[in-house]
Amino acid sequence: DVKVTQSSRYLVKRTGEKVFLECVQDMDHENMFWYRQDPGLGLRLIYFSYDVKMKEKGDIPEGYSVSREKKERFSLILESASTNQTSMYLCASSLYGNRPNEQFFGPGTRLTVL
Amino acid sequence: GQQLNQSPQSMFIQEGEDVSMNCTSSSIFNTWLWYKQDPGEGPVLLIALYKAGELTSNGRLTAQFGITRKDSFLNISASIPSDVGIYFCAGHSPNTGNQFYFGTGTSLTVIP
Repeated sequence: DVKVTQSSRYLVKRTGEKVFLECVQDMDHENMFWYRQDPGLGLRLIYFSYDVKMKEKGDIPEGYSVSREKKERFSLILESASTNQTSMYLCASSLYGNRPNEQFFGPGTRLTVL
Repeated sequence: GQQLNQSPQSMFIQEGEDVSMNCTSSSIFNTWLWYKQDPGEGPVLLIALYKAGELTSNGRLTAQFGITRKDSFLNISASIPSDVGIYFCAGHSPNTGNQFYFGTGTSLTVIP
């Protein structure tokens, strides 16, 4: 079974704090993704990565950065958290291939910024 | 980003009823996925569709890849309480690499 784990299920931070969200997958997937999920907006892609040390902006990268130092780990960083970054954050991974492959999701981190 | 319209936004149905939901896009997709998200969990893949006109079943679930390649449909037959959750469609366009675009979700409530 593919397993995608996220470091925290719930997180509460203060405005201006630096926040790290960690994601680890155990299936040797090349692709990893960070989404945020908000009511009525569905899942929106923040950043993704095809390989170690490689990153690409998604649709809403502003206010976020990412790090992929190892293949199995993809970190999302909020340099200075703001209240509008309160959301559910979902990490996903998939195999690289000629055909777009299904993404396996972690359980999510619900972040509240006060 | 790509816009995916998913409807209905929410549904309240009696146990045993059938459910239909759909997703439409403004451009052609070459892959459609349907996910279900249980409360407090991440989405889990239900069905994957790779060819226009394809009809695929997974137990009581059936999904179809629209002929126009701009839409997809998910049907659930004889709903049960554990069908409760949010259902998402996701589509992939030939021009977007490995990126999928997600619909806004359909929240399903099944009343016993």
